[in-house]
Amino acid sequence: EVQVLESGGGLVQPGGSLRLSCAASGFTFSDNAMSWVRQAPGKGLEWVSVISGSGGHTYHADSVKGRFTISRDNSRDTLYLQMNSLRAEDTAIYYCAKARTSSRFSALDYWGHGTLVTVSS
Amino acid sequence: EIVLTQSPGTLALSPGERATLSCRASQSVSSNYLAWYQQKPGQAPRLLIYDAVSRATGIPDTFSGSGSGTDFSLTISRLEPEDFAAYYCQQYGTSPFTFGGGTKVEI
Repeated sequence: EVQVLESGGGLVQPGGSLRLSCAASGFTFSDNAMSWVRQAPGKGLEWVSVISGSGGHTYHADSVKGRFTISRDNSRDTLYLQMNSLRAEDTAIYYCAKARTSSRFSALDYWGHGTLVTVSS
Repeated sequence: EIVLTQSPGTLALSPGERATLSCRASQSVSSNYLAWYQQKPGQAPRLLIYDAVSRATGIPDTFSGSGSGTDFSLTISRLEPEDFAAYYCQQYGTSPFTFGGGTKVEI
């Protein structure tokens, strides 16, 4: 059974940093691209970042470019999101999602339950 | 960035009725790389349709996707009680991979 499980969320002050992790199981991790998608309270979905199966290619949304970095460790079946210079508007549930293929250009077929990040003083 | 506009914002229907949701892109979606997701309150999104027209694994054939270029639709041929939820389209052909604002299907 495919599973992705996020961790690392919490309360952080503006300007602070946080690293999210996503542990994957039930599939060959390196065969699939992975993404982060966030959802602010009561709002719609916002795509954040994607990384190819090999880890060699990444994209980030303009709203997080230069502050957030997506990475993966295929030996540990784990996806990461390093978040620096956090702002109040980054407050959201962050979802880890598995792409259907190894390409970045894939729909997201399995999602975790999400981890809440709250940026507040 | 490609802006996706979903309409209507809210759709009020009854079980057994047909629902048609629209997703319009500000520019052509590369390779028709467009997906539809369903999200219920307190739950993660679920993939329904990918590549504009292909149903994801386990999705009933009451759900169908159509369209190409800049105009896409999701049709639910006969609404079941569990289909009342929010629906989002997403394009993944050109970075950033944007989502639409969503359509809420309510009773």
